[in-house]
Amino acid sequence: DIVMTQSPDSLAVSLGERATINCKSSQSVLYSSNNKNYLAWYQQKPGQPPKLLVYWASTRESGVPDRFSGSGSGTDFTLTISSLQAEDVAVYYCQQYYNIPLTFGGGTKVEIK
Amino acid sequence: EVQLVESGGGLVQPGGSLRLSCAASGFTFSDHYMDWVRQAPGKGLEWVGRTRNKADSYTTEYAASVKGRFTISRDDSKNSLYLQMNSLKTEDTAVYYCTRVDSSDWYFDYWGQGTLVTVSS
Repeated sequence: DIVMTQSPDSLAVSLGERATINCKSSQSVLYSSNNKNYLAWYQQKPGQPPKLLVYWASTRESGVPDRFSGSGSGTDFTLTISSLQAEDVAVYYCQQYYNIPLTFGGGTKVEIK
Repeated sequence: EVQLVESGGGLVQPGGSLRLSCAASGFTFSDHYMDWVRQAPGKGLEWVGRTRNKADSYTTEYAASVKGRFTISRDDSKNSLYLQMNSLKTEDTAVYYCTRVDSSDWYFDYWGQGTLVTVSS
């Protein structure tokens, strides 16, 4: 199984400041035949189901604000919120869909400082 | 508008059974793989399993933690997804989400609101 490790577990950022979340996979999720990273990011607000933010490691889902960006390749990935807004308070999860079983990172809780 | 609505959750004793349903609307259900994902109270997300579409023979996959106890099925004529859960354990207590897998790629592009299953004596 591919183990997904997120860091930090939580972070507190001032409004308007940058938040950076890291995700590391235990093996590469880059499929060489199409040069795509099978990595997605989800946002889960309290009492709500997760919502897709980013797929293919760096493609923003339609309707997601451009302050959210994904980067990385192979085994190391980052989700960046360029200017944190109050509505971004949530837990963020990375997930690999390279192979089954599909696996998630443990989550990173983002709060306002 | 894509909608996924789960139902069937509740309180069940250890060793018991429960069947969850997911009613889908707003898209061509038969085209998509569909998965179940669960979340124990205060914990992270855990993939439970998948049913592929007719084109891929409705084959299924399961997490090791539920294999042999849970069965995923679908009825394309009713736009419905099911999760039959047998031999339930206390550690199966979780919110169970129905998710749609993107038709050309493999991430979860829509999630239902979830249904809570509590396994307790």
